[in-house]
Amino acid sequence: DTGVSQDPRHKITKRGQNVTFRCDPISEHNRLYWYRQTLGQGPEFLTYFQNEAQLEKSRLLSDRFSAERPKGSFSTLEIQRTEQGDSAMYLCASSLSDKNIQYFGAGTRLSVL
Amino acid sequence: AQTVTQSQPEMSVQEAETVTLSCTYDTSESDYYLFWYKQPPSRQMILVIRQEAYKQQNATENRFSVNFQKAAKSFSLKISDSQLGDAAMYFCAYRRSQGGSEKLVFGKGTKLTVNP
Repeated sequence: DTGVSQDPRHKITKRGQNVTFRCDPISEHNRLYWYRQTLGQGPEFLTYFQNEAQLEKSRLLSDRFSAERPKGSFSTLEIQRTEQGDSAMYLCASSLSDKNIQYFGAGTRLSVL
Repeated sequence: AQTVTQSQPEMSVQEAETVTLSCTYDTSESDYYLFWYKQPPSRQMILVIRQEAYKQQNATENRFSVNFQKAAKSFSLKISDSQLGDAAMYFCAYRRSQGGSEKLVFGKGTKLTVNP
């Protein structure tokens, strides 16, 4: 078990472009979470899945953001028409349904120029 | 809405000494979980310690222990015998235990420096 894996680790893009991030949770973890962390702040919740069902979305998740977990395994987070304010670290975490400990990946750092 | 406050943006400690990081939270719930996570520079966040609100006994994990004061809504982390590897950002986090929402609510963090 290699833990939660996120790809890419770093992404630099120009304003207006679309970007997609991938998260592979710990195997057999059926819950998967996305958080966003800006400089000097703690992580802020974006959304979470139980298996393939997206059960909760934060108001931070604007219409330009979409997350999927099509087969209940890996997940993708897409940001359309990126803005400079989207620059942040995007963290993924996973947990077992009968546990409440969330295990985090190393994150994807997005820089929008 | 639940909030978590860490009033110490930065702390420093001498190697082998003891340091305490503060955390307060606001909630109307009676049952919940509290966590301390450690985030080393450019590395992933890892769980340090967890406390269940219905348990009166303070959680301990080796050199790490908490002082959980439910009535005061306080949840401080004590690191004993500090080591250079303890240097990191430390985040306090809250999670409801019932009602469906599983999101973690984090404080802004405390940057801990360990001096040799």
